[in-house]
Amino acid sequence: DTAVSQTPKYLVTQMGNDKSIKCEQNLGHDTMYWYKQDSKKFLKIMFSYNNKELIINETVPNRFSPKSPDKAHLNLHINSLELGDSAVYFCASSFGLAGGRSYEQYFGPGTRLTVT
Amino acid sequence: KQEVTQIPAALSVPEGENLVLNCSFTDSAIYNLQWFRQDPGKGLTSLLLIQSSQREQTSGRLNASLDKSSGRSTLYIAASQPGDSATYLCAVGSGNTPLVFGKGTRLSVIA
Repeated sequence: DTAVSQTPKYLVTQMGNDKSIKCEQNLGHDTMYWYKQDSKKFLKIMFSYNNKELIINETVPNRFSPKSPDKAHLNLHINSLELGDSAVYFCASSFGLAGGRSYEQYFGPGTRLTVT
Repeated sequence: KQEVTQIPAALSVPEGENLVLNCSFTDSAIYNLQWFRQDPGKGLTSLLLIQSSQREQTSGRLNASLDKSSGRSTLYIAASQPGDSATYLCAVGSGNTPLVFGKGTRLSVIA
């Protein structure tokens, strides 16, 4: 009964390819996030969705396109992969605008993307 | 723009020692603060969540404090064990907005 799951766990691909990472949460949360952890282990937000709608889009290249088919899923599609995209990508979820919630964020196990 | 700083960047202590990890943030208008643990090559494990109205939270040997007005939080680990070796991340949240993370403190507990 994993709370936040991501697939795949590891992804090795060549430059120029297109790949997708999937995320699912079974916590009943309405807000989901994608974070990127770079080679220096620094975690930064990429996107945030609330009720399937994009609410935050940091300065991420438009080669990255998130898609949320429903509140429990947030997928990340990356076009024309570049060497600099190599990182660990974490999905997270929380309650959003509902009052009285703790807004605690729960993280998936991460997807380690290596672009060669 | 919120910035989170963690000091020290790395810490090595002998087993059994009590230790304190520090976290500071520039904008005191936060909703909560989370401490996470990350083992090498692994995901994030949430350790403690402190709401802005709280002063501290405890879980086992861990105690986290929050002083919102001064923009500081500490994570106290009592009687450290080699299994506590990991990177500890502090992150602040402002409601349903993404967390802003510090760069972490890499802790090594030597047996």
